Amino acid sequence: DQQVKQNSPSLSVQEGRISILNCDYTNSMFDYFLWYKKYPAEGPTFLISISSIKDKNEDGRFTVFLNKSAKHLSLHIVPSQPGDSAVYFCAAKTSGSRLTFGEGTQLTVNP
Amino acid sequence: DAGVIQSPRHEVTEMGQEVTLRCKPISGHNSLFWYRQTMMRGLELLIYFNNNVPIDDSGMPEDRFSAKMPNASFSTLKIQPSEPRDSAVYFCASSLGHRQETQYFGPGTRLLVL
Repeated sequence: DQQVKQNSPSLSVQEGRISILNCDYTNSMFDYFLWYKKYPAEGPTFLISISSIKDKNEDGRFTVFLNKSAKHLSLHIVPSQPGDSAVYFCAAKTSGSRLTFGEGTQLTVNP
Repeated sequence: DAGVIQSPRHEVTEMGQEVTLRCKPISGHNSLFWYRQTMMRGLELLIYFNNNVPIDDSGMPEDRFSAKMPNASFSTLKIQPSEPRDSAVYFCASSLGHRQETQYFGPGTRLLVL
């Protein structure tokens, strides 16, 4: 039972354009959401998070949007840079529970 | 700070063999997490320790898997006997307190069971 789904295994965008990575969840009790970035041969690193009381959180080029009614989360990167090429994982949790991760989306930003 | 250290970085073994993965958490961190990454299921939490005590091992797939944390600076994940379906990247992460959100991941061990 995959409670957090990233339906796009890969995404390719041009440098300077917007990258939109999507994530859907099924557990309406999730109240905290995170995005991690993973480069090859490295562990994931925390990127940005959002609480369920918000619908948007922005940090520089990265913005996370939360649509609770649709149980949908998205990460926007603008403008995209070649160094953003990585696997992006979304994750979600309820209070006191452990994180549940999605399968990951490989983003490739072409120069 | 050296970060979370995992060894070996790569392991190739034959089905039926015992595999031991090692992790040294960041000094001062008191929570340690073991994850498995596969293409189909993404990142799955296998077990986590707080103050060297296993808190939640509900993610451990079966009895072939075991994890120990004999002290604050070392943990092992053992698979015995290993099977081809255990092939994956295994990550260790550590954090201060229970907060999984603030964890730092190690570089992972890529395991291939033939």
